[in-house]
Amino acid sequence: EAQVTQNPRYLITVTGKKLTVTCSQNMNHEYMSWYRQDPGLGLRQIYYSMNVEVTDKGDVPEGYKVSRKEKRNFPLILESPSPNQTSLYFCASSSSADTQYFGPGTRLTVL
Amino acid sequence: EDQVTQSPEALRLQEGESSSLNCSYTVSGLRGLFWYRQDPGKGPEFLFTLYSAGEEKEKERLKATLTKKESFLHITAPKPEDSATYLCAVQARDQAGTALIFGKGTTLSVSS
Repeated sequence: EAQVTQNPRYLITVTGKKLTVTCSQNMNHEYMSWYRQDPGLGLRQIYYSMNVEVTDKGDVPEGYKVSRKEKRNFPLILESPSPNQTSLYFCASSSSADTQYFGPGTRLTVL
Repeated sequence: EDQVTQSPEALRLQEGESSSLNCSYTVSGLRGLFWYRQDPGKGPEFLFTLYSAGEEKEKERLKATLTKKESFLHITAPKPEDSATYLCAVQARDQAGTALIFGKGTTLSVSS
C-alpha cells in the first residue's frame, strides 16, 4: 500500500530536550515536505526536499532542522524544542507531478 | 503575495441538502489547485487537482470546478460521512519545492 508514515504519532516532551520525528514514504517520490498545522493559521510549510541531499527552508523554518540522506526518509529534528513548537506536524511527499500525499500526523506537546 | 481564502468557515447542512464551498485565490501564475479532505486529528486526504480555468473533476458526491480567480467544491446530496474539514491549496508556478499554500478550510457538518 502506497503511504507516508510518521513516528511517533504523539509526543509530549520538555523544553530543550532534542527530538526527532521520522517520516518515510514508499512511493519513490522525489519531493518531501514538512508542515505544521495550528488553529487559525492553517497548514504552513517548514522545510522541503527536492531530492536526496537537497533541502531548503519553507515559510516557518526557525527552530527546525531536516536531513535527506535517503530518498524514502525525511526526518524533522527539533534540537531545542520550545512551547511555541507545540503543534500538529505533517509530512508529505510527491512525485514531480506535484500532488502531495500526507502522512497521518504527529501531535507534539512541548512543556 | 500568494493567498488562499476559503468561505464559509463553517457550514451545517441537512442530509441531502446540496451546497458549495468557495476557494478564492491570488497567485503569481497557477501551477495547480488542490482540494483535500481532513478528518479531526488525521492527515489531509487528497481529493482533486485542477490545473486550468474551466476544468472540472468529480468523485462520488463531490465536484470541483476552477475559474481564474476561484474554485468551488460542490457537494450534492451530502451524507453524514461527508462531515469533515475541506482544505483548498494552490501551488504557484514559480514555487520551488512544490510548496502548497493552504486556506484555513471549511468545516462541514452534515446531520441526518
